[in-house]
Amino acid sequence: EVQLVESGGTLVKPGGSLSLTCAASGFKFGDYMVSWVRQAPGKGLEWVASLTSSSRFIYYSDSVKGRFTVSRDNARNSLFLQMTSVRGDDTALYFCARTYYGSGPYFDRWGQGALVTVSS
Amino acid sequence: EIVMTQSPATLSVSPGERATLSCRASQTVSSKLAWYQQKPGQSPALLIYGASIRANGVPARFSGRGSGTEFTLTITSLQSEDSAVYYCQQYDNWPLTFGGGTKVEIK
Repeated sequence: EVQLVESGGTLVKPGGSLSLTCAASGFKFGDYMVSWVRQAPGKGLEWVASLTSSSRFIYYSDSVKGRFTVSRDNARNSLFLQMTSVRGDDTALYFCARTYYGSGPYFDRWGQGALVTVSS
Repeated sequence: EIVMTQSPATLSVSPGERATLSCRASQTVSSKLAWYQQKPGQSPALLIYGASIRANGVPARFSGRGSGTEFTLTITSLQSEDSAVYYCQQYDNWPLTFGGGTKVEIK
């Protein structure tokens, strides 16, 4: 069974930093593109970042470019999101999503999310 | 950036009736359009990709149509478990973008 489990969500002050982790299982992680998608409370979905299986290509939304860094460790079946200089509009539930790239990219499996709250 | 616009924002439909949801792209996305279902308190789930291809395990009452800039998701014979927010997403160009969602309520 495909599983994606996010961790690291927390309360952080504006301007602070934190790191999210997504642990993957049930599929060959190293063969897939993976992504972060977020959802602010009561709002819709917003794509954040994606990286290809070998990390050769990395894509960021303009809203996080220069502040967030996405990375992966295929040996540990893990995806990471390093968040710096966070601000109030980064408050959201952050989903890890397996991303089908062949004719995509679209998100074919999702985790349950990690809640990040930015507040003083 | 390609802007995705969904309508209506909310749709109230009786059980057994048909629900038709619309998604419009600000420029052509060919058939690179996906639909997701998000039930209350749950993460999104892929319903449709390639504008009209049902994902594994998706019931046949869900169907997608369209290409270019105009797309529809139709739910025939609505069931109570179909109460959810539905999002479209284009994947023709970076950045990947979602529509604002349509909430389907059961009357």
